[in-house]
Amino acid sequence: DAKTTQPPSMDCAEGRAANLPCNHSTISGNEYVYWYRQIHSQGPQYIIHGLKNNETNEMASLIITEDRKSSTLILPHATLRDTAVYYCIVRGWRTGNQFYFGTGTSLTVIP
Amino acid sequence: SQTIHQWPATLVQPVGSPLSLECTVEGTSNPNLYWYRQAAGRGLQLLFYSVGIGQISSEVPQNLSASRPQDRQFILSSKKLLLSDSGFYLCAWTPRILNTGELFFGEGSRLTVL
Repeated sequence: DAKTTQPPSMDCAEGRAANLPCNHSTISGNEYVYWYRQIHSQGPQYIIHGLKNNETNEMASLIITEDRKSSTLILPHATLRDTAVYYCIVRGWRTGNQFYFGTGTSLTVIP
Repeated sequence: SQTIHQWPATLVQPVGSPLSLECTVEGTSNPNLYWYRQAAGRGLQLLFYSVGIGQISSEVPQNLSASRPQDRQFILSSKKLLLSDSGFYLCAWTPRILNTGELFFGEGSRLTVL
């Protein structure tokens, strides 16, 4: 699976949009981009995933560049409860491909 | 609906003692099952995964082992714990069919080895 690179930490003001970047320059054509987040002492929670089109759900939006070498997770109106570690993962669609988590980005939402 | 449970939630064990963490999934059949470990301040490390009963793949060589005696049961074991085995252990599953790729995690088991 392709390796991802994320900034170790970010701050965001409450109510503003949080934009979390992820670089995956070695991604291959059949690999999806997944985003998870982990609130302290809990298991990671799925947020969103995509292949090449931008995706939106009730939690967030995922913007993938045209060359698919990077993506941005957008939390449109960050709240204090969004403070967590956010993981960007690249994974092939086949059952045998695994989820490899890096160290993620620690997002702190500031009141 | 599907649920995943793992226990115990918290465990304090002396070095050299055995370990057994158990995970069960309800409401689905033939899930893919995973064990992850998170050391303090670190990311999640994939330890083992299983695509069926008795089928275990190890990602990282260590003094831990995993077993899948039943379809929806996944057990993490050690014969002799090391200090470095301390951490937060998470069990997870994905559906075998209609797999969107979403990984579902249990509540976690926090192990402290003294």
